Amino acid sequence: DTAVSQTPKYLVTQMGNDKSIKCEQNLGHDTMYWYKQDSKKFLKIMFSYNNKELIINETVPNRFSPKSPDKAHLNLHINSLELGDSAVYFCASSPTERNEQYFGPGTRLTVT
Amino acid sequence: AQSVTQPDIHITVSEGASLELRCNYSYGATPYLFWYVQSPGQGLQLLLKYFSGDTLVQGIKGFEAEFKRSQSSFNLRKPSVHWSDAAEYFCAVGARGQAGTALIFGKGTTLSVSS
Repeated sequence: DTAVSQTPKYLVTQMGNDKSIKCEQNLGHDTMYWYKQDSKKFLKIMFSYNNKELIINETVPNRFSPKSPDKAHLNLHINSLELGDSAVYFCASSPTERNEQYFGPGTRLTVT
Repeated sequence: AQSVTQPDIHITVSEGASLELRCNYSYGATPYLFWYVQSPGQGLQLLLKYFSGDTLVQGIKGFEAEFKRSQSSFNLRKPSVHWSDAAEYFCAVGARGQAGTALIFGKGTTLSVSS
């Protein structure tokens, strides 16, 4: 009965590769988010979607591309991975009428 | 600019002692206010939230927080800390009534519990 799930939990890859992280929520929420947590544990928004429509697209390299096939899923695809992309990526969701966000377990990405 | 400040980077308390973690925010209007906890290697768990009404809110795991508008603060408290409370605590603010807007997080406070 996991509310917000992400796969994989750990991802180790080499520079230049392309990888995807998947996120699914079963809370019936209309809005989903991607956050990045850096090595100092600072959390910052990357993207948000409401009903599959892009709402927030922060200053993120265009190597990062979110895709929302339906309201319950928001995937993150990263092209040409760089060392600086190493971080923990969190997916979250919230109901449309209230900005109360529930987070997934995170995906720790390590680029070597 | 919108921001959240958690003045204490690291706090150590004895098991059974009381706890208060500080949070101050700068925001255009009264935002939604949240506290999240992150245990080592885990995701973020919502501890409690303030939207409106009673300024003292109760959360999970015996935590409470008090919203003070005049001080732009939302401090987290627990009367008796357990060893399992050792974790990273984040205060966050968010816009009211706007779907898809970001939460702005503080830099976190690391709580250590000594026996």
